[in-house]
Parts: sequence; structure tokens; C-alpha cells
Amino acid sequence: AQSVTQPDIHITVSEGASLELRCNYSYGATPYLFWYVQSPGQGLQLLLKYFSGDTLVQGIKGFEAEFKRSQSSFNLRKPSVHWSDAAEYFCAVAANTDKLIFGTGTRLQVFP
Amino acid sequence: SAVISQKPSRDICQRGTSLTIQCQVDSQVTMMFWYRQQPGQSLTLIATANQGSEATYESGFVIDKFPISRPNLTFSTLTVSNMSPEDSSIYLCSVATGTSVSYNEQFFGPGTRLTVL
Repeated sequence: AQSVTQPDIHITVSEGASLELRCNYSYGATPYLFWYVQSPGQGLQLLLKYFSGDTLVQGIKGFEAEFKRSQSSFNLRKPSVHWSDAAEYFCAVAANTDKLIFGTGTRLQVFP
Repeated sequence: SAVISQKPSRDICQRGTSLTIQCQVDSQVTMMFWYRQQPGQSLTLIATANQGSEATYESGFVIDKFPISRPNLTFSTLTVSNMSPEDSSIYLCSVATGTSVSYNEQFFGPGTRLTVL
């Protein structure tokens, strides 16, 4: 069965520091991968997605993610975090069952 | 893209009662989904509601507890029936703008925060 693991439940960084959020998936074929962000009291917003091709994908708000098949990973990165990036981040995989399977999320806290 | 609104945004209900949540989309979409997000948890898919067919429920969710209507391509409702405190969650509606979840972005509504006393 497909699954998504986000090993870090909670991450705290200082504003201006770099950020990497980890995501590992379990799926037999090449998955379709997504990162979503959920700000407090808001719905989910898509940051970026990977379907095929270049394994480094650029998203909105200065985020990028790299698909590494050998490590079954799709980690999210940002070179310099802003206070407004504080939110919950979800990695998700879409399998051929036409469903999104979400990871447990990583809560990002940003200190000034 | 798609803009989704949900009503109500939040509610506090007594156990044993039912609540119907509405989801309105600003464009016609084929695929619509309902998720539950329990406190501090990730999103769990309740059901897929495609217009013109019966909703498809995920394991652990049944139609008697979570009846869904999908009368047209822009609207859906989810009812949480005979509520108990364990139903306290955020309920989110989402849509996919194409016909495949794999290829298309899902857009999410702001959610309905339900508290059952």
C-alpha cells in the first residue's frame, strides 16, 4: 500500500535560515508527489508538484523540492525562511487509485 | 484554478444531532472529495463524490454516518450524522480540475471546524 512519511513532527528555525522538510514515500511505481501548506485556520494550498522530468521542481513562495528515486524521497527546501512561512506542511502522493495520500505533516515554527 | 467556499466555517453541536456541511465551487468540476482532519492529525479521505454517480467511501467511513449529495458540478454536501465527540474535526472539501488526481492539482476549501459536546 502507498504511504507517506514525514519524520519531523515539529521544526523550529530562525528567520532567514535555510529549511529542509523531509518526506519519504512508499510506492511501487513512479509516484506523483505534492507539497501542500496549511496556514492556521486556512485550507491547503499547493506549493509544488512532481509528475516527471526534471527532479528539481520549483514552487511558489520560493520553495523547491527534489525527487530522489533511490531514496524514495521528496524533500522540500527553502534557502531563507520568512516569518510568514510558519504553517503546517503536508507531503502527499497520488497513486493510480486516484486518491491523494497525505503524510502526517510537519509544523514549522519561525523565530525572529 | 478553483475557488471553494464552505459553510459553516465552524459549529458547535450536541451529541446525537446531525450537521450538513456545504461546499460550493466557482467552476464546474468533475471530481470532488471530502476529507477529515482530526485535531493534530493529517488529512484522511472520507469519500469521493463525482457528479452523476454514488459517492465512493473509504474504508472506515459509511454512508449512514456520512451521507453525501452531489446534485451538480459545482456543489456538494456532507452530513455528519448522529454526532459524538469523536467526530470533532475539521472537514475539508476539495476538487480536482481534471479527471485524474494523479495529473491534476487539488484545490481545498477553508474547512469546517466541528466541535461536538
